[in-house]
Amino acid sequence: QSVLTQPPSVSGAPGQRVTISCTGSSSNIGGGYDVHWYQHLPGTAPRLLIYGDNNRPSGVPDRFSGSESGTSASLAITGLQAEDEADYYCQSYDSSLGGSYVFGTGTKVTVL
Amino acid sequence: QITLKESGPTLVDPTQTLTLTCTFSGFSLTTSGVAVGWIRQPPGKALEWLAIIYWDDDQQFSPSLKSRLSITKDTSKNQVVLTMTNMDPVDTATYHCARRLNNSGFFDYWGQGTLVTVSS
Repeated sequence: QSVLTQPPSVSGAPGQRVTISCTGSSSNIGGGYDVHWYQHLPGTAPRLLIYGDNNRPSGVPDRFSGSESGTSASLAITGLQAEDEADYYCQSYDSSLGGSYVFGTGTKVTVL
Repeated sequence: QITLKESGPTLVDPTQTLTLTCTFSGFSLTTSGVAVGWIRQPPGKALEWLAIIYWDDDQQFSPSLKSRLSITKDTSKNQVVLTMTNMDPVDTATYHCARRLNNSGFFDYWGQGTLVTVSS
């Protein structure tokens, strides 16, 4: 079971802004561990979108941005494009039970 | 150019042991701070972290699967091997390996994954 909770799906029209939440606890996000975000199309390698709360690897458009507050984090996609339709996962580190890397439950973004 | 590729059986019998190999290039697992992890995704479900091995041979495992997992590295071959014992149909998933960037908490390069089906 994932310890980071995301909404199962979000949708928006092309050009709109959508946000995806990632809710954790005091042993992960709230404990000061960074949140990272991945874009995943089934059958392909997941792609790192955001690392360290709001840093983008080279090649990731600035339409993608991250934020964090307390025990939660969010990914925002502005100027939604058809190519953004994919699954998105947050990821952090959890200090309980000896420490482990944890992923969110995943969110399907649909471009209407 | 950094690449990772998973290899192993596509079909495993229940109760058997799964052995997967991650062969990588473009970086070294002898570099301080580097690590390679395994993550899986059952069909229609979320990503799940399994295990990680660090440059200094330290290892971590998912608490829920720790008793069934082992991970080793062969730095001369640029390979990381994951072993999972007592396979069950619920372990059917696509298994990915990925590089953890130096002393970071995220995975910056991933393999495409290999689908493993557990069935008799």
